[in-house]
Amino acid sequence: EVQLVESGGRLVKPGGSLRLSCATSGFTFSSYSMNWVRQTPGKGLEWVSSITSSGTYKYYADSLMGRFTISRDNSKNSLYLLLNSLRAEDTAVYYCARDNGNYFGHDFWGQGTLVTVSS
Amino acid sequence: EIVLTQSPGTLSLSPGERATLSCRASQSLSDIYLAWYQQKPGQPPRLLIYATSSRATGIPDRFSGSGSGTHFTLTISRLEPEDFAVYYCQQFGSSLLTFGGGTTVEIK
Repeated sequence: EVQLVESGGRLVKPGGSLRLSCATSGFTFSSYSMNWVRQTPGKGLEWVSSITSSGTYKYYADSLMGRFTISRDNSKNSLYLLLNSLRAEDTAVYYCARDNGNYFGHDFWGQGTLVTVSS
Repeated sequence: EIVLTQSPGTLSLSPGERATLSCRASQSLSDIYLAWYQQKPGQPPRLLIYATSSRATGIPDRFSGSGSGTHFTLTISRLEPEDFAVYYCQQFGSSLLTFGGGTTVEIK
């Protein structure tokens, strides 16, 4: 069974940093591109970042202005997102999601981890 | 950035009725690059449709997708009680992925 479990979300002050993790199981992690998607409470989905299976290529939403960094450790079957210079508008549930290897779509999602940025 | 605009924002329908949801792209997309998701409160999104019209694993055939170019449609032929939710389209035509703003299908 494919599982993705996010962790690391918490209350953090503006300007602070945080690292989110996504532990995976049930599939060959090193064969799949992965993504982070966030959702502000009561609002829509926003794609944040993607990383290819080997970690060679990384992509980010323009709105982040270079503050976030995606990474992965294929030996640990884990995906990460480092969030720097956090702002109130970064408050959201952060989901990790797997890309299907045969077509374009995020076929498995975690339950999300809540990041709250507030003083 | 490819902008996706979904309409209507909210669709009020009764069980058994047909739902038609629209997703318009700011530039033309190949049909392989358009997906649809369903999200219920407190849950992550669930992939419904990929490549415009292919149903994901386990998705009932009352869900169908169509479209081309800049206009795509998700149709739910006969609404079941569990179909009342929020629906999002997403494009993969650019390395910078984007979602539409969502359509809420609510019980009338």
